[in-house]
Amino acid sequence: DVKVTQSSRYLVKRTGEKVFLECVQDMDHENMFWYRQDPGLGLRLIYFSYDVKMKEKGDIPEGYSVSREKKERFSLILESASTNQTSMYLCASWTTNNIGELFFGEGSRLTVL
Amino acid sequence: GENVEQHPSTLSVQEGDSAVIKCTYSDSASNYFPWYKQELGKRPQLIIDIRSNVGEKKDQRIAVTLNKTAKHFSLHITETQPEDSAVYFCAASKGENFGNEKLTFGTGTRLTIIP
Repeated sequence: DVKVTQSSRYLVKRTGEKVFLECVQDMDHENMFWYRQDPGLGLRLIYFSYDVKMKEKGDIPEGYSVSREKKERFSLILESASTNQTSMYLCASWTTNNIGELFFGEGSRLTVL
Repeated sequence: GENVEQHPSTLSVQEGDSAVIKCTYSDSASNYFPWYKQELGKRPQLIIDIRSNVGEKKDQRIAVTLNKTAKHFSLHITETQPEDSAVYFCAASKGENFGNEKLTFGTGTRLTIIP
């Protein structure tokens, strides 16, 4: 069974804190993604990576950075969390060999106080 | 970049009736159009997809139609059942096997099936 695993399901942080969201996939997929999900706004792409140490900005990269040191792991970093970053964060991966299903993790619900 | 618009944002139908969700996209180079279903508290999962060389695709009670000229595609669910209640997302991509390919999603439709 294919798996995308996010390290934390629920986090509560304070404004200004540095936040790390970790994601691991076991499917040897080349591409990994971080989306943010907010009611009425759908799934918005923050950053994605198509290879180790490679990254590209998505539609809403401001306030975020990413790290991909190994093929199976993709981290989202909030350098200084703000209340408007309170949201559900979804990690996903897919293979570029015959583009098809995007596999999602369970999500990480972040609350910034 | 690609922009995907989806409507309606909410939809309620009687059990057994049909539901239709519509999406439009902006990039004429897009060739791959999947639909995802997200049940409450769960991750989005692919339910059906269509590529631009096909006008319609069906899988049991679910069908997707694509009009490339008009740049819109639709999800049709027939004989709706309570387990169809969920949020549905459409998406678009160029669908090419390039390294930096990505999916752009619509804003979602909350479908409620009334028993």
